Amino acid sequence: EVQLVESGGGLVQPGGSLRLSCAASGFTFSTYWMYWVRQVPGKGLVWVSRTSPGGSITTYADSVKGRFTISRDNAKSTFYLQMDSLRAEDTALYYCARDLGGSAGFWGRGTTVTVSS
Amino acid sequence: DIVLTQSPLSLPVTPGEPASISCRSSQSLLYSNGHNYLDWYLQKPGQSPQLLIFLGSNRASGVPDRFSGSGADTDFTLKISRVEAEDVGVYYCIQTLLTPPAFGQGTKVEI
Repeated sequence: EVQLVESGGGLVQPGGSLRLSCAASGFTFSTYWMYWVRQVPGKGLVWVSRTSPGGSITTYADSVKGRFTISRDNAKSTFYLQMDSLRAEDTALYYCARDLGGSAGFWGRGTTVTVSS
Repeated sequence: DIVLTQSPLSLPVTPGEPASISCRSSQSLLYSNGHNYLDWYLQKPGQSPQLLIFLGSNRASGVPDRFSGSGADTDFTLKISRVEAEDVGVYYCIQTLLTPPAFGQGTKVEI
């Protein structure tokens, strides 16, 4: 069974940092592009970042560029989102997702990030 | 950046009746390989999005055949031939042809 399980969310003060993790199982993790997408409760979906299967290609939304870093460890079937210099507007439910744009699109259940003093 | 515009944003439906959602792109989503890079997802209440249609018109594994996707270039449509109660939720289109990937605003379907 395919599973994506996010963790690492929580409450953090503005300017602080968090590291989100997404643990994958049930498929060959190392062959897929992986994504982070966020959603403010009651609002729409916003793409945040993605990484290529080998991790050599990473791209970011302009709103997080220079503050967030995506990475992956294929040996552990896990990928990450290091979030620094957090702002109130980063508050959202963060989903990890596999293969957006392909036949194998699949999302985790999300982890909540709240940036507030 | 590509902008996707969905309509309607709210769609009251009647079980057993058909329903249709439009997604229009500000740029062509047709790639040189002949594929249109437009997918449809459904986010049921309290759940994460689930893939319905990929590459414009291909039903994902396990998706009931009452769902169909059509269109090309900049105009796409998701159709439900006969709505069932379990189809309620928010439907999103997403383009992955160009960076950044972009979602439509979402269409809320309710009975």
